[in-house]
Amino acid sequence: NAGVMQNPRHLVRRRGQEARLRCSPVKGHSHVYWYRQLPEEGLKFMVYLQKENIIDESGMPKERFSAEFPKEGPSILRIQQVVRGDSAAYFCASSPLDRDEQETQYFGPGTRLLVL
Amino acid sequence: GQQLNQSPQSMFIQEGEDVSMNCTSSSIFNTWLWYKQDPGEGPVLLIALYKAGELTSNGRLTAQFGITRKDSFLNISASIPSDVGIYFCAGPASNYQLIWGAGTKLIIKP
Repeated sequence: NAGVMQNPRHLVRRRGQEARLRCSPVKGHSHVYWYRQLPEEGLKFMVYLQKENIIDESGMPKERFSAEFPKEGPSILRIQQVVRGDSAAYFCASSPLDRDEQETQYFGPGTRLLVL
Repeated sequence: GQQLNQSPQSMFIQEGEDVSMNCTSSSIFNTWLWYKQDPGEGPVLLIALYKAGELTSNGRLTAQFGITRKDSFLNISASIPSDVGIYFCAGPASNYQLIWGAGTKLIIKP
């Protein structure tokens, strides 16, 4: 029973390049969340998606950042024209459809993005 | 906005000691979650609490959901070296995004 999978685990980009982070939720989970974490801090919410829908993107910068969760395949967090300040750990979480446990989120191992 | 105040920020303990940490909030949460994060890894869910007053155990870990729904504590009994890490409390905001405490770093003295 695989948990949340994220890849790559580490990603190095030069300023101006694009970063694509992938997340496969727990099998059967239809809710995906992306968080960002800086060293020595807690996680900060970015975006909440269900299949083919963005439910809440209030934590995601309006420019350069986008997220999708297609009908088939993993959720993608895309950062265009990366800057040094984008360097962080990006975590994906998923939760089940069951309303009672929907608020319990299970996390992947994260992608550590380093912008040179 | 909603915030979680987690304390202590860090703890230095001897192996075998019991540990206690807590989280408080100025607003009500309907769920309290406790996670542990090891260096270079994602948070791992330890205990989920869904009802006010609920006391739940997971091995040597015990957590309680405060009766006012504004606080929770996590206890670890008889700590061992692998308990080292950062422990976070978290609760869902109204739109399901998780609000996180700042974490409690647990360090075991040799």
